[in-house]
Amino acid sequence: GNSVTQMEGPVTLSEEAFLTINCTYTATGYPSLFWYVQYPGEGLQLLLKATKADDKGSNKGFEATYRKETTSFHLEKGSVQVSDSAVYFCALSEPGANNLFFGTGTRLTVIP
Amino acid sequence: GAGVSQTPSNKVTEKGKYVELRCDPISGHTALYWYRQSLGQGPEFLIYFQGTGAADDSGLPNDRFFAVRPEGSVSTLKIQRTERGDSAVYLCASSLMGGNNSPLHFGNGTRLTVT
Repeated sequence: GNSVTQMEGPVTLSEEAFLTINCTYTATGYPSLFWYVQYPGEGLQLLLKATKADDKGSNKGFEATYRKETTSFHLEKGSVQVSDSAVYFCALSEPGANNLFFGTGTRLTVIP
Repeated sequence: GAGVSQTPSNKVTEKGKYVELRCDPISGHTALYWYRQSLGQGPEFLIYFQGTGAADDSGLPNDRFFAVRPEGSVSTLKIQRTERGDSAVYLCASSLMGGNNSPLHFGNGTRLTVT
């Protein structure tokens, strides 16, 4: 079956620190991989995605590389800002499927 | 422009009652999804509409749950004989076409509490 396992939070970092949030997945096929973000008081929104092995998704300084050999899609950012404080969800979708499988979410707090 | 709107934002009901949760998707989006997020968990898929029809309802947990989208826009999730285990945040999302290349836009959710 399909599942997503992501690093448990909460994660607290100082501004300008390096961020990694780990995500590994199990899938029956070759899924597309996503990171969604939920800022305080807002709905979930797509942060970045990758649709095949070795693809790198990037947005707002965040990056994640689709690693088929390690079934991973770790989220990274070189220098976090207070405005990055949010809950981050890793997710996958099988080809032709209508739904996303989400991880449990990782809450990030960035302090000045 | 307007995003996905869900009403009410909070709903408290007694065990055994019937509830309806409403979702107004982004105008022009043909695909609409319902997810349920329990405390400490990620969202779990319930049902997907393409236009007016439920294209995939495999995530509905049992026959107490039902959803409609009669005119291909607004959708209502209906829960009969509510149970305390139904307490969760119910999320609605829409996308332009559906599929992996069409990003989902989520609403803020309806927090349902069954007492």
